[in-house]
Amino acid sequence: SQQGEEDPQALSIQEGENATMNCSYKTSINNLQWYRQNSGRGLVHLILIRSNEREKHSGRLRVTLDTSKKSSSLLITASRAADTASYFCAPGGSYIPTFGRGTSLIVHP
Amino acid sequence: EAGVAQSPRYKIIEKRQSVAFWCNPISGHATLYWYQQILGQGPKLLIQFQNNGVVDDSQLPKDRFSAERLKGVDSTLKIQPAKLEDSAVYLCASSRDRVGNIQYFGAGTRLSVL
Repeated sequence: SQQGEEDPQALSIQEGENATMNCSYKTSINNLQWYRQNSGRGLVHLILIRSNEREKHSGRLRVTLDTSKKSSSLLITASRAADTASYFCAPGGSYIPTFGRGTSLIVHP
Repeated sequence: EAGVAQSPRYKIIEKRQSVAFWCNPISGHATLYWYQQILGQGPKLLIQFQNNGVVDDSQLPKDRFSAERLKGVDSTLKIQPAKLEDSAVYLCASSRDRVGNIQYFGAGTRLSVL
């Protein structure tokens, strides 16, 4: 299995600010996925970036992938209170991806 | 399409009792996962099925936990007997296939063991 490690563990920002969280992993991947988990709910898939892509956008989300550094970042622009959640990365390949502790994001109105 | 269904949403039991959780994955999804998520931690994979066969159950405490996926569709996860440390949210997820696919999660079952 391959576990992604998210950093920072906690992030607190004001509404309208940008939020950046990072993910590191150890072995080669086919893709990397980001998930969001609102309190008391299941995880929701946000975005998938393939190993041959360097950047991907989806609405206010921007994901980058640097396979040479085995790292990815998730940027949420113009954050909203509704973005308050935990965010997890999941490196994908020919193995079972496992989840780290995630980044807990709090967006203050 | 309908999402992953889980029941019950909440369960409170006393230690040493038994409990079972049910999951109905998205139609056509070959892979089904059960996760345990303790408060403040990420989801921990307990068992992964590919159709009705087990792919990985290395982190399943087999002395008390069991899981089955009949006919490659619905699945049940059972704990017998429960311990205090089993208090957690149990998440079920499914994906089209097992290699690098998007996982779709149910809302989870919150178990409290008293």
